[in-house]
Amino acid sequence: SAVISQKPSRDICQRGTSLTIQCQVDSQVTMMFWYRQQPGQSLTLIATANQGSEATYESGFVIDKFPISRPNLTFSTLTVSNMSPEDSSIYLCSGSGGAYTEAFFGQGTRLTVV
Amino acid sequence: QKEVEQDPGPLSVPEGAIVSLNCTYSNSAFQYFMWYRQYSRKGPELLMYTYSSGNKEDGRFTAQVDKSSKYISLFIRDSQPSDSATYLCAMKGGTASKLTFGTGTRLQVTL
Repeated sequence: SAVISQKPSRDICQRGTSLTIQCQVDSQVTMMFWYRQQPGQSLTLIATANQGSEATYESGFVIDKFPISRPNLTFSTLTVSNMSPEDSSIYLCSGSGGAYTEAFFGQGTRLTVV
Repeated sequence: QKEVEQDPGPLSVPEGAIVSLNCTYSNSAFQYFMWYRQYSRKGPELLMYTYSSGNKEDGRFTAQVDKSSKYISLFIRDSQPSDSATYLCAMKGGTASKLTFGTGTRLQVTL
């Protein structure tokens, strides 16, 4: 199994600012995913990040708001840009070896925008 | 209709009980099935990963997949208060790498 370290674990940010969340995997993974989870609800996929290509965003999420980097097979970042209180949520990263393997999660970033 | 249906609970059981958690799905392309446990304020932790139909056992946990009925289950034997968490089913299939999640079932094991 892969261990994913995600930071920060939590943050309180002013509206209009940006926050970058980092995920480091202890082994190489083909695919990384970024999710958002509202309290008490399931996970909503924001985007899929592969090394060497642009991230693929799900409906309702755009690159200008959630730019993603994937410089190598063990690291990815998600930036939440120009934040508003509606962006307050838990953000989770996940890594997977590919279509036929399981996915592992980081511990999440609890973001509050004030 | 959602692709994956899961009763949100909460489900409350006494310590030592056998717990049955279930998900139904509509996409026949799903072939890989996962169960995650998520404690409050933590990320999901992978419990079980199964491919296609059949059973898989790991300690007190047993995962079952019935593709003909599009139904998956997670059984927890001898449930403990430490099993109190939200349990999420997830699945994927074909060449798709992204997971489709159920809404999660909140489980409370009482003393």
